[in-house]
Amino acid sequence: QQQVKQSPQSLIVQKGGISIINCAYENTAFDYFPWYQQFPGKGPALLIAIRPDVSEKKEGRFTISFNKSAKQFSLHIMDSQPGDSATYFCAASSAGGTSYGKLTFGQGTILTVHP
Amino acid sequence: NAGVTQTPKFQVLKTGQSMTLQCAQDMNHNSMYWYRQDPGMGLRLIYYSASEGTTDKGEVPNGYNVSRLNKREFSLRLESAAPSQTSVYFCASIRDSGSNQPQHFGDGTRLSIL
Repeated sequence: QQQVKQSPQSLIVQKGGISIINCAYENTAFDYFPWYQQFPGKGPALLIAIRPDVSEKKEGRFTISFNKSAKQFSLHIMDSQPGDSATYFCAASSAGGTSYGKLTFGQGTILTVHP
Repeated sequence: NAGVTQTPKFQVLKTGQSMTLQCAQDMNHNSMYWYRQDPGMGLRLIYYSASEGTTDKGEVPNGYNVSRLNKREFSLRLESAAPSQTSVYFCASIRDSGSNQPQHFGDGTRLSIL
Protein backbone atom coordinates (compact mmCIF):
# COMPACT_ATOMS: atom_id res chain seq x y z
CA GLN A 1 0.00 0.00 0.00
CA GLN A 2 1.47 3.30 -1.14
CA GLN A 3 1.26 5.68 1.81
CA VAL A 4 2.92 8.62 0.06
CA LYS A 5 1.54 9.77 -3.27
CA GLN A 6 3.64 12.05 -5.46
CA SER A 7 2.73 14.09 -8.52
CA PRO A 8 3.42 14.81 -11.29
CA GLN A 9 5.37 11.82 -12.64
CA SER A 10 7.29 14.11 -14.98
CA LEU A 11 7.74 17.84 -15.27
CA ILE A 12 9.29 20.04 -17.94
CA VAL A 13 10.23 23.60 -17.02
CA GLN A 14 12.06 26.36 -18.82
CA LYS A 15 15.24 27.77 -17.32
CA GLY A 16 14.37 30.41 -14.75
CA GLY A 17 10.91 29.00 -14.12
CA ILE A 18 9.41 27.54 -10.95
CA SER A 19 9.20 23.76 -10.51
CA ILE A 20 6.53 22.45 -8.13
CA ILE A 21 6.22 18.84 -6.98
CA ASN A 22 3.45 17.72 -4.65
CA CYS A 23 3.11 14.88 -2.16
CA ALA A 24 0.29 13.62 0.03
CA TYR A 25 0.55 11.18 2.90
CA GLU A 26 -1.88 9.06 4.89
CA ASN A 27 -0.07 8.05 8.07
CA THR A 28 -0.53 10.75 10.71
CA ALA A 29 2.37 9.26 12.70
CA PHE A 30 4.84 10.55 10.12
CA ASP A 31 6.91 13.36 11.61
CA TYR A 32 9.82 13.78 9.21
CA PHE A 33 9.48 14.67 5.54
CA PRO A 34 12.69 14.69 3.46
CA TRP A 35 13.11 15.33 -0.23
CA TYR A 36 15.77 13.43 -2.15
CA GLN A 37 17.43 14.34 -5.44
CA GLN A 38 18.77 11.61 -7.71
CA PHE A 39 20.96 12.02 -10.78
CA PRO A 40 21.29 9.22 -13.37
CA GLY A 41 23.54 6.42 -12.19
CA LYS A 42 23.68 7.76 -8.64
CA GLY A 43 21.92 7.07 -5.39
CA PRO A 44 19.37 9.48 -3.89
CA ALA A 45 20.88 12.33 -1.87
CA LEU A 46 19.10 14.43 0.73
CA LEU A 47 18.05 17.81 -0.66
CA ILE A 48 15.98 19.36 2.11
CA ALA A 49 13.77 18.11 4.95
CA ILE A 50 11.00 19.47 7.17
CA ARG A 51 9.30 18.51 10.41
CA PRO A 52 5.56 19.17 10.93
CA ASP A 53 6.06 21.88 13.55
CA VAL A 54 6.83 24.40 10.77
CA SER A 55 4.86 25.26 7.66
CA GLU A 56 7.76 26.22 5.42
CA LYS A 57 11.50 25.69 5.12
CA LYS A 58 13.75 27.40 2.63
CA GLU A 59 17.30 26.55 1.61
CA GLY A 60 18.59 28.63 -1.26
CA ARG A 61 16.33 28.09 -4.27
CA PHE A 62 14.57 25.12 -2.67
CA THR A 63 11.50 25.51 -0.44
CA ILE A 64 9.29 22.93 1.25
CA SER A 65 5.73 23.95 2.05
CA PHE A 66 3.90 21.79 4.59
CA ASN A 67 0.16 21.61 5.29
CA LYS A 68 -0.42 19.35 8.28
CA SER A 69 -4.23 19.53 8.23
CA ALA A 70 -4.35 18.52 4.56
CA LYS A 71 -1.54 15.98 4.99
CA GLN A 72 0.27 17.45 2.03
CA PHE A 73 3.71 18.87 1.37
CA SER A 74 5.40 20.24 -1.70
CA LEU A 75 8.80 21.16 -3.09
CA HIS A 76 9.26 24.45 -4.92
CA ILE A 77 12.40 25.05 -6.98
CA MET A 78 12.77 28.72 -7.80
CA ASP A 79 14.80 29.96 -10.80
CA SER A 80 15.11 26.38 -12.08
CA GLN A 81 18.40 25.57 -13.81
CA PRO A 82 19.38 22.83 -16.27
CA GLY A 83 21.59 21.39 -13.52
CA ASP A 84 18.43 20.77 -11.48
CA SER A 85 17.33 18.16 -14.04
CA ALA A 86 17.05 14.99 -11.97
CA THR A 87 14.54 12.67 -10.33
CA TYR A 88 13.02 13.97 -7.10
CA PHE A 89 11.51 11.80 -4.39
CA CYS A 90 9.47 12.87 -1.42
CA ALA A 91 9.54 10.59 1.59
CA ALA A 92 8.20 10.31 5.11
CA SER A 93 9.14 8.56 8.32
CA SER A 94 8.42 8.60 12.03
CA ALA A 95 10.87 8.47 14.91
CA GLY A 96 10.67 6.06 17.76
CA GLY A 97 8.65 2.95 18.41
CA THR A 98 9.17 0.26 15.81
CA SER A 99 9.70 2.68 12.92
CA TYR A 100 13.51 2.33 13.05
CA GLY A 101 14.02 5.23 10.65
CA LYS A 102 12.30 3.45 7.77
CA LEU A 103 11.43 5.77 4.90
CA THR A 104 8.27 5.54 2.80
CA PHE A 105 8.93 7.06 -0.61
CA GLY A 106 6.70 8.69 -3.19
CA GLN A 107 6.78 7.43 -6.76
CA GLY A 108 9.26 10.04 -7.98
CA THR A 109 9.16 12.99 -10.39
CA ILE A 110 11.48 13.30 -13.36
CA LEU A 111 12.29 17.01 -13.74
CA THR A 112 13.71 18.34 -16.99
CA VAL A 113 14.79 21.98 -17.15
CA HIS A 114 15.28 23.27 -20.69
CA PRO A 115 17.95 25.93 -21.26
CA ASN B 1 35.34 9.54 2.76
CA ALA B 2 33.62 6.74 0.78
CA GLY B 3 30.28 6.75 2.64
CA VAL B 4 28.19 3.79 1.45
CA THR B 5 29.84 1.44 -1.06
CA GLN B 6 27.89 -1.13 -3.05
CA THR B 7 29.30 -3.97 -5.15
CA PRO B 8 28.91 -4.96 -7.88
CA LYS B 9 27.62 -1.94 -9.83
CA PHE B 10 26.10 -4.08 -12.60
CA GLN B 11 25.15 -7.75 -12.84
CA VAL B 12 23.26 -9.97 -15.28
CA LEU B 13 21.89 -13.27 -14.00
CA LYS B 14 19.92 -16.11 -15.46
CA THR B 15 16.67 -17.18 -13.85
CA GLY B 16 17.36 -19.53 -10.95
CA GLN B 17 20.91 -18.33 -10.27
CA SER B 18 21.87 -16.99 -6.86
CA MET B 19 23.79 -13.89 -6.00
CA THR B 20 24.80 -11.72 -3.04
CA LEU B 21 24.84 -7.92 -3.21
CA GLN B 22 27.37 -6.34 -0.91
CA CYS B 23 27.09 -3.09 1.03
CA ALA B 24 29.59 -1.45 3.37
CA GLN B 25 29.54 1.90 5.17
CA ASP B 26 32.44 3.68 6.83
CA MET B 27 30.45 6.26 8.83
CA ASN B 28 30.05 4.15 11.98
CA HIS B 29 26.29 4.07 11.40
CA ASN B 30 24.12 1.72 13.44
CA SER B 31 21.22 1.12 11.04
CA MET B 32 21.28 -0.10 7.46
CA TYR B 33 18.62 -0.62 4.80
CA TRP B 34 18.09 -2.32 1.44
CA TYR B 35 15.69 -0.78 -1.11
CA ARG B 36 14.75 -1.62 -4.65
CA GLN B 37 13.88 1.06 -7.20
CA ASP B 38 11.51 0.36 -10.07
CA PRO B 39 10.08 2.90 -12.57
CA GLY B 40 6.96 4.60 -11.23
CA MET B 41 7.25 2.80 -7.88
CA GLY B 42 9.77 4.94 -6.04
CA LEU B 43 12.02 3.09 -3.61
CA ARG B 44 10.59 0.22 -1.64
CA LEU B 45 12.16 -1.22 1.50
CA ILE B 46 13.22 -4.87 1.25
CA TYR B 47 14.95 -5.48 4.60
CA TYR B 48 16.57 -3.40 7.28
CA SER B 49 18.91 -3.81 10.21
CA ALA B 50 18.22 -1.41 13.07
CA SER B 51 21.45 -2.40 14.80
CA GLU B 52 24.25 -4.94 14.53
CA GLY B 53 22.85 -8.40 15.12
CA THR B 54 19.25 -7.60 14.13
CA THR B 55 17.42 -7.76 10.82
CA ASP B 56 13.76 -7.40 9.90
CA LYS B 57 11.49 -7.46 6.89
CA GLY B 58 10.41 -4.37 5.01
CA GLU B 59 7.64 -3.89 2.48
CA VAL B 60 8.83 -6.35 -0.21
CA PRO B 61 10.98 -9.11 1.40
CA ASN B 62 9.85 -12.14 -0.60
CA GLY B 63 12.67 -13.81 -2.52
CA TYR B 64 15.43 -12.10 -0.53
CA ASN B 65 17.54 -12.77 2.53
CA VAL B 66 19.96 -10.51 4.36
CA SER B 67 22.94 -10.78 6.67
CA ARG B 68 24.31 -8.05 8.94
CA LEU B 69 27.86 -9.33 8.92
CA ASN B 70 29.17 -6.67 11.32
CA LYS B 71 28.49 -3.02 12.01
CA ARG B 72 29.90 -1.96 8.63
CA GLU B 73 28.48 -4.57 6.28
CA PHE B 74 24.95 -5.56 5.28
CA SER B 75 24.46 -8.02 2.40
CA LEU B 76 21.40 -8.92 0.34
CA ARG B 77 21.04 -12.39 -1.16
CA LEU B 78 18.85 -13.65 -3.96
CA GLU B 79 18.67 -17.43 -3.56
CA SER B 80 16.89 -18.19 -6.85
CA ALA B 81 16.69 -15.10 -9.06
CA ALA B 82 13.47 -14.37 -10.93
CA PRO B 83 12.83 -11.85 -13.77
CA SER B 84 10.59 -9.87 -11.37
CA GLN B 85 13.70 -9.10 -9.34
CA THR B 86 15.22 -7.11 -12.20
CA SER B 87 15.70 -3.73 -10.55
CA VAL B 88 18.16 -1.22 -9.16
CA TYR B 89 19.10 -2.03 -5.58
CA PHE B 90 20.18 0.63 -3.11
CA CYS B 91 21.75 0.27 0.29
CA ALA B 92 21.43 3.08 2.83
CA SER B 93 22.58 3.78 6.36
CA ILE B 94 21.73 6.07 9.25
CA ARG B 95 23.58 6.79 12.47
CA ASP B 96 20.66 6.29 14.86
CA SER B 97 17.27 4.92 13.81
CA GLY B 98 15.67 6.24 16.99
CA SER B 99 15.54 9.81 15.71
CA ASN B 100 14.73 11.22 12.30
CA GLN B 101 17.92 11.68 10.32
CA PRO B 102 18.73 11.62 6.62
CA GLN B 103 19.66 8.26 5.17
CA HIS B 104 22.90 8.05 3.21
CA PHE B 105 22.65 6.01 0.01
CA GLY B 106 25.13 4.10 -2.11
CA ASP B 107 25.14 4.42 -5.88
CA GLY B 108 23.25 1.20 -6.43
CA THR B 109 23.56 -2.19 -8.08
CA ARG B 110 21.80 -2.56 -11.43
CA LEU B 111 20.60 -6.15 -11.68
CA SER B 112 19.05 -7.81 -14.71
CA ILE B 113 17.53 -11.29 -14.53
CA LEU B 114 17.10 -13.03 -17.89
